[in-house]
Amino acid sequence: QVQLVESGGGVVQPGTSLRLSCVASGFTFTNFGFHWVRQAPGKGLEWLAVAWSAANDKYYAESVKGRFTVSRDNFRNTLYLQMNSLRVEDTAVYYCARDRGDEEFDPWGQGTLVTVSS
Amino acid sequence: QAGLTQPPSVSKGLRQTATLTCTGNSNNVGYEGAVWLQQHQGHPPKCLFYRKNNRLSGISERFSAARSGNTASLTITGLQPEDEADYYCSAWDSSLSAWVFGGGTKLTV
Repeated sequence: QVQLVESGGGVVQPGTSLRLSCVASGFTFTNFGFHWVRQAPGKGLEWLAVAWSAANDKYYAESVKGRFTVSRDNFRNTLYLQMNSLRVEDTAVYYCARDRGDEEFDPWGQGTLVTVSS
Repeated sequence: QAGLTQPPSVSKGLRQTATLTCTGNSNNVGYEGAVWLQQHQGHPPKCLFYRKNNRLSGISERFSAARSGNTASLTITGLQPEDEADYYCSAWDSSLSAWVFGGGTKLTV
């Protein structure tokens, strides 16, 4: 069945880096774009980035532009989020979600928790 | 980054009707409409409607979506206890080249 599984979260110190992964299965990976969305504890959803199949077809939220980089490995059916210079306020559950262009944000993974703390 | 405006909370009784709103501008909601998501406590979000107001397969017909100008709305009829959740809208903003979310509405039944 269609599934997205995030991993790579954990507890890190401010200023460090972390790479999240989102492994897709049950469908043709290259036919879809993928979003990263985060949710800080007790807060709402914040869109971070989207990556489409074409290598440079990516978009970012202003809040993470220059610090976060989204990429995808179409052979490994995997989406990545490289997060640099992490801040306490980056603490959140990070989700990936699929997008077909006319069928957006469906489905979502279960999320991976990133805690930035000294 | 400018987001969409949703009322923080709505409270309705069992079997009543709730209409949740999502207000943006001509660059986002007014441009191509909004996606509606439902999130139960402790679970990831689930998409209810795509931007073209298409209800996802498996979503109850008690849920409907509409758009008028720069405001999208989600209407839930015959409210049930399981409808109690947070509801989010999201839209592509053509001026920002980014997706924006509303702050979410907590629906209490």
